[in-house]
Amino acid sequence: SQQGEEDPQALSIQEGENATMNCSYKTSINNLQWYRQNSGRGLVHLILIRSNEREKHSGRLRVTLDTSKKSSSLLITASRAADTASYFCATDSSYKLIFGSGTRLLVRP
Amino acid sequence: SAVISQKPSRDICQRGTSLTIQCQVDSQVTMMFWYRQQPGQSLTLIATANQGSEATYESGFVIDKFPISRPNLTFSTLTVSNMSPEDSSIYLCSVEGAWTDLQETQYFGPGTRLLVL
Repeated sequence: SQQGEEDPQALSIQEGENATMNCSYKTSINNLQWYRQNSGRGLVHLILIRSNEREKHSGRLRVTLDTSKKSSSLLITASRAADTASYFCATDSSYKLIFGSGTRLLVRP
Repeated sequence: SAVISQKPSRDICQRGTSLTIQCQVDSQVTMMFWYRQQPGQSLTLIATANQGSEATYESGFVIDKFPISRPNLTFSTLTVSNMSPEDSSIYLCSVEGAWTDLQETQYFGPGTRLLVL
């Protein structure tokens, strides 16, 4: 069964705006990862945050992790049309990844 | 990161037949995984492909339906047996290796899009 739930399920924003996606999970984790998927193709790894970290940055991406609330957020700043994709969080509690339900992001030019 | 390829990239099959999907990595990796992504859904782990031993299946997936081979550290196959339209999905392999500090990170192949009629 899926560990993570993401919200919103779908998000439509204007180019240049920021996009925030949230992920909640149920059990203790070693780390949490975010992936992007374009049009049903393979997944691209974006960022990994360990359970003892609270915030991490990578380019225009900012990820936060709150283990007390079992939640994470992904912020994409200054969005571009090319950011249009589905975004998934995935939790790693052993060696397996359990994926969330995903957020479909549409960035309008 | 490793370069991962899958064959075929897509296929249309008749119900009752079987399809074998190949996953090739350009470097040796310790862990290989197979996932299913049903239309409009998230990814679900089918099994972990173990080199030299039987695959480890997740709840709801059985070896008779999804036999897996892992003959070496760079290659694995997943067979979808006795297919029905409900098997129409994208099947993805992923790898986790120790070639970087981020060894927990999984890298995914491009996926195999399967349609069963």
